[in-house]
Amino acid sequence: GNSVTQMEGPVTLSEEAFLTINCTYTATGYPSLFWYVQYPGEGLQLLLKATKADDKGSNKGFEATYRKETTSFHLEKGSVQVSDSAVYFCALSDRSNAGKSTFGDGTTLTVKP
Amino acid sequence: DTGVSQDPRHKITKRGQNVTFRCDPISEHNRLYWYRQTLGQGPEFLTYFQNEAQLEKSRLLSDRFSAERPKGSFSTLEIQRTEQGDSAMYLCASSLGQGGETQYFGPGTRLLVL
Repeated sequence: GNSVTQMEGPVTLSEEAFLTINCTYTATGYPSLFWYVQYPGEGLQLLLKATKADDKGSNKGFEATYRKETTSFHLEKGSVQVSDSAVYFCALSDRSNAGKSTFGDGTTLTVKP
Repeated sequence: DTGVSQDPRHKITKRGQNVTFRCDPISEHNRLYWYRQTLGQGPEFLTYFQNEAQLEKSRLLSDRFSAERPKGSFSTLEIQRTEQGDSAMYLCASSLGQGGETQYFGPGTRLLVL
């Protein structure tokens, strides 16, 4: 079956530091890959996505590249802000698996001023 | 705001009681998904609808759980005879397409069973 493995947290960084959150996946088909962000007390918000190999998703300074050869979709940001503090979820959605999403366990990011 | 709404946002109930949650998806979306999220975990798939048809149910969905999507619009998730282990965040998501496209999540209903 499908699975997503995320880098364990929590991650604590100083403002303007570089962020990487690792994500690898296992899928039987050809999935689309997503990063979602969840702020305290809120639902999931789509951060970025990529639908095929070598695609790069980007939004709000965050980037992730769909690497089929390494089955990875690592999230990066060059300079984090305090407002980026949240829980980040890597996920895949596979049309051959009814399109339901499979999520990693989330990585909590805290950015200190 | 993603356009998906859920009601109520919070529910506290006593063990053995029945609860019902509602999800209103983005109006033109044909697919609707229910997920459950426990503390420190990612959401786990429960069930999904394509229009009004419930096409798949997870093993996580015991006989005490039932979901409906009458007329292919809003959906309800009912839990009968609640147990403390049912305490979780219940998330609804909707999408347009045949699978693999972006799902838009509601804010969730947080259930606490005492």
